[in-house]
Amino acid sequence: SAVISQKPSRDICQRGTSLTIQCQVDSQVTMMFWYRQQPGQSLTLIATANQGSEATYESGFVIDKFPISRPNLTFSTLTVSNMSPEDSSIYLCSVSSSGRGEQYFGPGTRLTVT
Amino acid sequence: AQSVTQPDIHITVSEGASLELRCNYSYGATPYLFWYVQSPGQGLQLLLKYFSGDTLVQGIKGFEAEFKRSQSSFNLRKPSVHWSDAAEYFCAVGPNDYKLSFGAGTTVTVRA
Repeated sequence: SAVISQKPSRDICQRGTSLTIQCQVDSQVTMMFWYRQQPGQSLTLIATANQGSEATYESGFVIDKFPISRPNLTFSTLTVSNMSPEDSSIYLCSVSSSGRGEQYFGPGTRLTVT
Repeated sequence: AQSVTQPDIHITVSEGASLELRCNYSYGATPYLFWYVQSPGQGLQLLLKYFSGDTLVQGIKGFEAEFKRSQSSFNLRKPSVHWSDAAEYFCAVGPNDYKLSFGAGTTVTVRA
């Protein structure tokens, strides 16, 4: 399985600002995903990050709010823009190289917006 | 559309007792099934997976799961729980265009 790191591990941000979260993988992977986990909730997929093309967003998530970059096969960033307290969540990236859907997760970024 | 139901929101079990977590899925084809564990303040760790073959699969940390197609279930079991098994457990099914669908999760509390 891949080893995945995320930066920052946690942050406290002011309303109206933006935060960029980094996801680094120790090997080349085909698919990278970004999830949001609100307090006490399950995982909600934000988008699939495709290398060399635009990210694919799920219903309810838009590029202006959550711009994503995927410059190569080992790295991706998720930006949470114009933050509000409702954006307080854990943000997780995951990777998959298998067509069977098996995913491996990073440790997450705990974001608090005040 | 694929979906996962975890009927138990919270389970409390005594240390050393057995544990079973339920998972029911809805999927149009042969599913690939997964169990993940999330310890407090941690990311998700893959416990085990089922793709095909033997319907009883073994995972890490002494966990096993049984796939029952007739019941659309993939229940997770452990014969004897340890205090370190206290965590949130998520069942997932896929893939649908490489994506997984996660259940709501079951919180396991272990009492001494």
